[in-house]
Amino acid sequence: DAGVIQSPRHEVTEMGQEVTLRCKPISGHDYLFWYRQTMMRGLELLIYFNNNVPIDDSGMPEDRFSAKMPNASFSTLKIQPSEPRDSAVYFCASSFRRDTDTQYFGPGTRLTVL
Amino acid sequence: GENVEQHPSTLSVQEGDSAVIKCTYSDSASNYFPWYKQELGKRPQLIIDIRSNVGEKKDQRIAVTLNKTAKHFSLHITETQPEDSAVYFCAASIRIKAAGNKLTFGGGTRVLVKP
Repeated sequence: DAGVIQSPRHEVTEMGQEVTLRCKPISGHDYLFWYRQTMMRGLELLIYFNNNVPIDDSGMPEDRFSAKMPNASFSTLKIQPSEPRDSAVYFCASSFRRDTDTQYFGPGTRLTVL
Repeated sequence: GENVEQHPSTLSVQEGDSAVIKCTYSDSASNYFPWYKQELGKRPQLIIDIRSNVGEKKDQRIAVTLNKTAKHFSLHITETQPEDSAVYFCAASIRIKAAGNKLTFGGGTRVLVKP
């Protein structure tokens, strides 16, 4: 298995632009999580899905952020419009319902908003 | 919501010595406590975890202890090696079957093992 796949690995954009981050969870996993990591705030859970349905989005910072999971093998995190304070590493993670404890992280997307 | 505090923020040890990282949590309902290791530029990876019905768990050179009454848990690394150098994160969650795990992470501890 290739593990959790994220794209792009690096993204540099200008303030005000729309940014879309993509994630492919491990095949067969039922849960998908989006995290943001910064030096100031550490590792924060933004939103997570169970069987493609959003369960908890209380960590989504504001309306500029949105996440979708149209099917079991794909999810997107969109920021529109982007701001410099959104610069961070965004991780996607997935887990399996019969072992919901272990979350497998993707390699992350390093986002820089100028 | 849950709040997890982690100490120290940095830890420097001599190769072969032990390292101890401590975390406290606020929500007494939390029942699952994993530890993740993140090497520079890499993804966090689970190294060990403990559930609230267990007081201690060991896996080779790493061990975790949990004190539910005091709401704190610790990671112990013995016989440290240079490859143990990384950032370590503790986390806490309320593990609910069919609802997954919503992890709250501590701020991380940067461990440096000096040869």
